[in-house]
Amino acid sequence: QQQVKQSPQSLIVQKGGISIINCAYENTAFDYFPWYQQFPGKGPALLIAIRPDVSEKKEGRFTISFNKSAKQFSLHIMDSQPGDSATYFCAVLYYNTDKLIFGTGTRLQVFP
Amino acid sequence: GAGVSQSPSNKVTEKGKDVELRCDPISGHTALYWYRQSLGQGLEFLIYFQGNSAPDKSGLPSDRFSAERTGGSVSTLTIQRTQQEDSAVYLCASSLKLGPSSGANVLTFGAGSRLTVL
Repeated sequence: QQQVKQSPQSLIVQKGGISIINCAYENTAFDYFPWYQQFPGKGPALLIAIRPDVSEKKEGRFTISFNKSAKQFSLHIMDSQPGDSATYFCAVLYYNTDKLIFGTGTRLQVFP
Repeated sequence: GAGVSQSPSNKVTEKGKDVELRCDPISGHTALYWYRQSLGQGLEFLIYFQGNSAPDKSGLPSDRFSAERTGGSVSTLTIQRTQQEDSAVYLCASSLKLGPSSGANVLTFGAGSRLTVL
């Protein structure tokens, strides 16, 4: 059973453009929604995260938008740069546990 | 060390052999996770430990897979009678539990162990 659905599977953006990646979840028993970034040959690393009591969180060029009623959250990358080219994973943390489930990933390519 | 260390970094084995993958978490991190990443695929949850206990083993694909953690530190993922479909990168991560429902777990991943079953 897939708990988190992520889209698109791949994304091509021109330098300076906005990259948008979406995730939808099916269970209400989650209380933490992070995004991880993975470069080839490396393990994923935390990029930004949000709690369900806020609707938006911004850190530099990266913003998470969270819609609790729709059970959806998204990552926006403003002014996308070639160095942002990586695979991005959304994730959900089961409430009151340490169990973290990841989405299927989005491969982002930013061309100059 | 400063990060999560996994060994071996690469393992090639023959179908039917057993393999052991090792993870050394960051010192003091109480939670430890194993994920599997197949070529071009997402991160498949396998198991996680809190201390030496595994509250959730639901992600282990079959009874050929097992994992243990000793001393609240090193963990070993064992795959018995390997099959070609076991070929993947096995990622380990650790985190510092900040409270029962703090929701602020930050996982630090190792670089992974790439397993190829011929």
